[in-house]
Amino acid sequence: KAGVTQTPRYLIKTRGQQVTLSCSPISGHRSVSWYQQTPGQGLQFLFEYFSETQRNKGNFPGRFSGRQFSNSRSEMNVSTLELGDSALYLCASSPGLAGPKETQYFGPGTRLLVL
Amino acid sequence: EDQVTQSPEALRLQEGESSSLNCSYTVSGLRGLFWYRQDPGKGPEFLFTLYSAGEEKEKERLKATLTKKESFLHITAPKPEDSATYLCAVQALGGGSQGNLIFGKGTKLSVKP
Repeated sequence: KAGVTQTPRYLIKTRGQQVTLSCSPISGHRSVSWYQQTPGQGLQFLFEYFSETQRNKGNFPGRFSGRQFSNSRSEMNVSTLELGDSALYLCASSPGLAGPKETQYFGPGTRLLVL
Repeated sequence: EDQVTQSPEALRLQEGESSSLNCSYTVSGLRGLFWYRQDPGKGPEFLFTLYSAGEEKEKERLKATLTKKESFLHITAPKPEDSATYLCAVQALGGGSQGNLIFGKGTKLSVKP
């Protein structure tokens, strides 16, 4: 079974630009979560999508947004990029059945550098 | 506030020298505690999930245990290929959603031959 895939793997942008990252979950998984990883803050939750609806949201500004498509693929968008947005953006998928015992499986991440 | 603290931040071991990593957590209600391994430039790789105090899971040289306030990841006779950052995360009860993972900062393990 193929794992979680993320594209692109690396991205360089300049301040003020916007960026869109893509995530394809494991086949059959309906929940997709996004995390930001930085050396200072570690892994921080951005948001979770299930059945095309945002089900949970972390403490990030509105410049960070996402969406999910009917095939469970997800995209996240960051508008008006700031230097501090440089990070590894990780996507994780799970079956999303809202049961008590679910495991999130992570993709390889997209490394974003903002200059 | 839900919180996860891992110690030590870094650990250097000689090959074959067993040790333990600690994960202390504060959460209103624990749905699950997760251990992941992360190699440089890669996404976290799932290792274990623990759900209730007293539970133990094993995989090759790794063994994870859980109490009401902390979890330990025991590494027996480590090899250089065990070198990685080990991340602990908790998922809190409550809410209608699955719940996001709250991660610790990780323990960077280096195993020298």
